[in-house]
Amino acid sequence: AQTVTQSQPEMSVQEAETVTLSCTYDTSESDYYLFWYKQPPSRQMILVIRQEAYKQQNATENRFSVNFQKAAKSFSLKISDSQLGDAAMYFCAYRLYNNNDMRFGAGTRLTVKP
Amino acid sequence: DTGVSQNPRHKITKRGQNVTFRCDPISEHNRLYWYRQTLGQGPEFLTYFQNEAQLEKSRLLSDRFSAERPKGSFSTLEIQRTEQGDSAMYLCASSLRGLAGAGDYNEQFFGPGTRLTVL
Repeated sequence: AQTVTQSQPEMSVQEAETVTLSCTYDTSESDYYLFWYKQPPSRQMILVIRQEAYKQQNATENRFSVNFQKAAKSFSLKISDSQLGDAAMYFCAYRLYNNNDMRFGAGTRLTVKP
Repeated sequence: DTGVSQNPRHKITKRGQNVTFRCDPISEHNRLYWYRQTLGQGPEFLTYFQNEAQLEKSRLLSDRFSAERPKGSFSTLEIQRTEQGDSAMYLCASSLRGLAGAGDYNEQFFGPGTRLTVL
């Protein structure tokens, strides 16, 4: 079974600073996607960034980047120049290439201090 | 608004009653997903449709749960004989299967969810 673990229930960052959210996963498969989703309070979940397992290059989307370590089964999210609007629950998720059963971690609540 | 919509946004019911939720996906999306999210947890996959066909069901989807997507557009999720343990946020998502075939990315777009409280 594939499981996703987020070991940080809560994180806090000062506005304009950098924060890293951790995620590890367990799988015996080699072809899969990894995602980070953001869920603001009382608002719908949106995709922040994704990574294909076959790509060695870490994905980057503006202020968001990942550190994908396939051998270690680690997929951390780095948020640079944190903004107040980044405050939300962040979920790490995993999905096999040919499967629609997406597995989510328990989430990390990020607080951004002005 | 061209995003995924869900109705109702909130539902309070008494134990033993039946409830039905509706999801309207993004219009051109042929794939539709249902998830359940309990407090303090990430979403858990329940079921998936491609057009009108229900192709995958999680073991979490007990026989009290039934989902339909009769015309390949909107979907309904019905829970019969609700229990207090059914209290959760029910999320719907949709995606568009691309022409790449197996392994295509098909980003899932989520709706705002229906929060169910069973008293």
